Amino acid sequence: SQQGEEDPQALSIQEGENATMNCSYKTSINNLQWYRQNSGRGLVHLILIRSNEREKHSGRLRVTLDTSKKSSSLLITASRAADTASYFCATVYTGGFKTIFGAGTRLFVKA
Amino acid sequence: EAQVTQNPRYLITVTGKKLTVTCSQNMNHEYMSWYRQDPGLGLRQIYYSMNVEVTDKGDVPEGYKVSRKEKRNFPLILESPSPNQTSLYFCASSFGQANEKLFFGSGTQLSVL
Repeated sequence: SQQGEEDPQALSIQEGENATMNCSYKTSINNLQWYRQNSGRGLVHLILIRSNEREKHSGRLRVTLDTSKKSSSLLITASRAADTASYFCATVYTGGFKTIFGAGTRLFVKA
Repeated sequence: EAQVTQNPRYLITVTGKKLTVTCSQNMNHEYMSWYRQDPGLGLRQIYYSMNVEVTDKGDVPEGYKVSRKEKRNFPLILESPSPNQTSLYFCASSFGQANEKLFFGSGTQLSVL
């Protein structure tokens, strides 16, 4: 029962361009998080947005949350080759104790 | 250094041979969890633990066991592994019970022949 689903599944861009990834979920949530994974290694937490927040920034990352549409987006500005990785959204649903991940977006940034 | 340590990193075994994947964290986290990752399916939760002696099933618990006898350790046990348990496994932990930031181990690639 995956909570989050990312779109697109894969994204290829040139260095310097912006990358946008989207996530949709199914039920009400406490928070939504984005994680990054390099080549089958452990995931690394990037940013968290709570259900009562609409937008958050962290460095080159911008996350938005639209609870009415049950969707979120992650924007990476001025992408670099080092941003090449898989990105996952994860949700903690209201009243739950589980963090549920989507299938991820594979981002490839060409130098 | 704050970390989640999983062992082994790679494991090849045969059907039916019991195995244990260890997980230890040094951050005094209450919450620990096991995930498996399969191509196209993302991460699916196997079991989680809110604290010592408190464990609960995730979305895909069949064929797995866990225990939480100490706060720092959360081993994953496969009593009789089968080929469909071939996967990449991750242990994760977080502070408290709000699951606001998971720290992941480096993963265990398991192959069951």
